[in-house]
Amino acid sequence: QSVLTQPPSASGTPGQRVTISCSGTSSNVGSSNVYWYQQLPGAAPKLLIYRNNQRPSGVPDRFSGSKSGTSASLAISGLRSQDEADYYCAAWDASLSGPVFGGGTKLTVL
Amino acid sequence: EVQLVESGGGLVQPGRSLRLSCSASGFTFDDHAMHWVRQVPGKGLEWVSSISWNSEFKAYADSVKGRLTISRDNAKKTLYLQMNSLRVEDTALYYCARAPYGSGSFLPNFDSWGQGILVTVSS
Repeated sequence: QSVLTQPPSASGTPGQRVTISCSGTSSNVGSSNVYWYQQLPGAAPKLLIYRNNQRPSGVPDRFSGSKSGTSASLAISGLRSQDEADYYCAAWDASLSGPVFGGGTKLTVL
Repeated sequence: EVQLVESGGGLVQPGRSLRLSCSASGFTFDDHAMHWVRQVPGKGLEWVSSISWNSEFKAYADSVKGRLTISRDNAKKTLYLQMNSLRVEDTALYYCARAPYGSGSFLPNFDSWGQGILVTVSS
């Protein structure tokens, strides 16, 4: 059971916009920045969003993050087949004194 | 180019020990905190441990505290994870990951990852 809650799956067709949610509590998402990772099949995770809504260089602006209260979201617009991957949210948890991850969301591009 | 290469994994019996290494190149190693994150094949990510640039601060997940020890050798640009009293539930792909320059805390901001090394604990 992961500390942060994500839907196990999401899907969309090419060109669509999809969002993936990440729900936490006041001890993690509610009091910390949220980070998002993309893990392509067979690959290591890659940082996609940091500090809730910042994109590392090289990450397309099709990817965006937001946070409100104890929930965060990752939005992907202009969906492409190469976006098919697992997506994880993460945050610092003050109660556990360490980083925690969501269980991951498998995105399928139909 | 930033490169992180893990080694030292393999098959080990429960209760035995193993030491993982992560060799870094392409950046100034001692400018960065470093982390270990693991993933059971087919499952999600789990933070394991973190170490500050100068080894002054270390942190561990409760699930590994007292059994796994993180360390680093800045002269050798290498991160280590000493794994003792291994359990079946420690079976996972272990990634080393880098914190961004100037990141003074152990936030889950991992800007570079290795390819991972598999540790299998089984009798």
